[in-house]
Amino acid sequence: TQLLEQSPQFLSIQEGENLTVYCNSSSVFSSLQWYRQEPGEGPVLLVTVVTGGEVKKLKRLTFQFGDARKDSSLHITAAQPGDTGLYLCAGSPFGNEKLTFGTGTRLTIIP
Amino acid sequence: DTAVSQTPKYLVTQMGNDKSIKCEQNLGHDTMYWYKQDSKKFLKIMFSYNNKELIINETVPNRFSPKSPDKAHLNLHINSLELGDSAVYFCASSRRATGELFFGEGSRLTVL
Repeated sequence: TQLLEQSPQFLSIQEGENLTVYCNSSSVFSSLQWYRQEPGEGPVLLVTVVTGGEVKKLKRLTFQFGDARKDSSLHITAAQPGDTGLYLCAGSPFGNEKLTFGTGTRLTIIP
Repeated sequence: DTAVSQTPKYLVTQMGNDKSIKCEQNLGHDTMYWYKQDSKKFLKIMFSYNNKELIINETVPNRFSPKSPDKAHLNLHINSLELGDSAVYFCASSRRATGELFFGEGSRLTVL
């Protein structure tokens, strides 16, 4: 089992629709990061959430950190083809400095 | 200027060969990493160095040997390559151990 499980693993939707992807764990994290990776490139950080219950917005993307700091979600409103990519959550459990990546969600937005 | 650059971008080689991948960062970060991304896109840490000192060494075959000549460089040497080593290897750096990671573009290794 992976420390950070993401769902769904694959998601393909039409342009203009809304979607939510999830990052879940049984461990408590001091913070969680979300990255987006496009083909042929390395992941790029989108946001870091630090406080339980925290909500951060980045244009059409809304990130939430669970109250218990064990999970996070990413909601995209009115998805655009440019949102296509692999979305990865990453975190370090309390007492462990090693940053672990989630299993990833491959998102495809169809024009 | 590329913040984290790694070379080569593509590497195709035969089983049993030895190869190296180089990485350099110009961000002034103290911590550098090697990650392996498999065909399912799962990103797994291999090694982490802080100021030239090895701090994370995951369960990686000892055919993989990282070397950090200075805090701006972290190279990866792989001996006796096997088919299962085929993957994309990413170098990354961060200001601190659990901070934002800045990744290179990746080096796609194919072992035939």
